[in-house]
Amino acid sequence: DAGVIQSPRHEVTEMGQEVTLRCKPISGHNSLFWYRQTMMRGLELLIYFNNNVPIDDSGMPEDRFSAKMPNASFSTLKIQPSEPRDSAVYFCASSFGSGDEQYFGPGTRLTVT
Amino acid sequence: AQSVTQLDSHVSVSEGTPVLLRCNYSSSYSPSLFWYVQHPNKGLQLLLKYTSAATLVKGINGFEAEFKKSETSFHLTKPSAHMSDAAEYFCVVNFNAGTALIFGKGTTLSVSS
Repeated sequence: DAGVIQSPRHEVTEMGQEVTLRCKPISGHNSLFWYRQTMMRGLELLIYFNNNVPIDDSGMPEDRFSAKMPNASFSTLKIQPSEPRDSAVYFCASSFGSGDEQYFGPGTRLTVT
Repeated sequence: AQSVTQLDSHVSVSEGTPVLLRCNYSSSYSPSLFWYVQHPNKGLQLLLKYTSAATLVKGINGFEAEFKKSETSFHLTKPSAHMSDAAEYFCVVNFNAGTALIFGKGTTLSVSS
C-alpha cells in the first residue's frame, strides 16, 4: 500500500488566495483526520470523518476553513481566503476506526505571504 | 476531564545512555495508548501501541513502553540512545471507542555524541 497520500507537498500562495489541500487515505480505512501543526500551537486536530461523514469539526479555526470527503478515497481541506497566520504543515491521517492507530501522510507545508 | 500529559517538553541524553520519556493520562478506565515519533520535516510514525494485552509493549527501533494502571502511566524507554532517535515523540490516548485519539503536546528528544 502506498500509505496516505497528500498533495501538494508544498504550497506557497499570497494572502487572499484560495488554497486546496488533498488527501487520499489508505484503502479500507473508514476514518480520516485533518491536522495542523505549527511551532506555536503544536499539533491540532481540525476535523475528522467516519465513513465520509464529518463527525467533529470543532477544531476548524473559522469559516474560512472547510473540508469535504465526497467518497472513501478522497478528501479536501480548503482555505478561502488564506491569511499569513494559516501558514503551517497540514497533515492528513487515516485509520480503520476513529479510535484505532492512525497512519499519517507526509504533510503539506503551506506558506501564505 | 480525560487528558494526556507528557511531563517533559524536552529531554537531552548522550548517545548510548538510556532514554525515558514520561506520559500520564487521566481516566477511570484502561484506554488504548500509543506512542508516535516525528522526525524533522516528516510525518508522524507509529512506534508502538497498547490495547489491553501485555503491559510491556515492544515497538520499533528498540523502544518499549510499560502500561501501569495504578500509576496511570505509559512511559517510553530505550536502553541505549542513538543519534537517529533525535525527534519529537507524542504520547496518544484513546479513551472511548469510536472517538478520535487525543495527542499529548510532545517531547523533543535531543541526542548528543
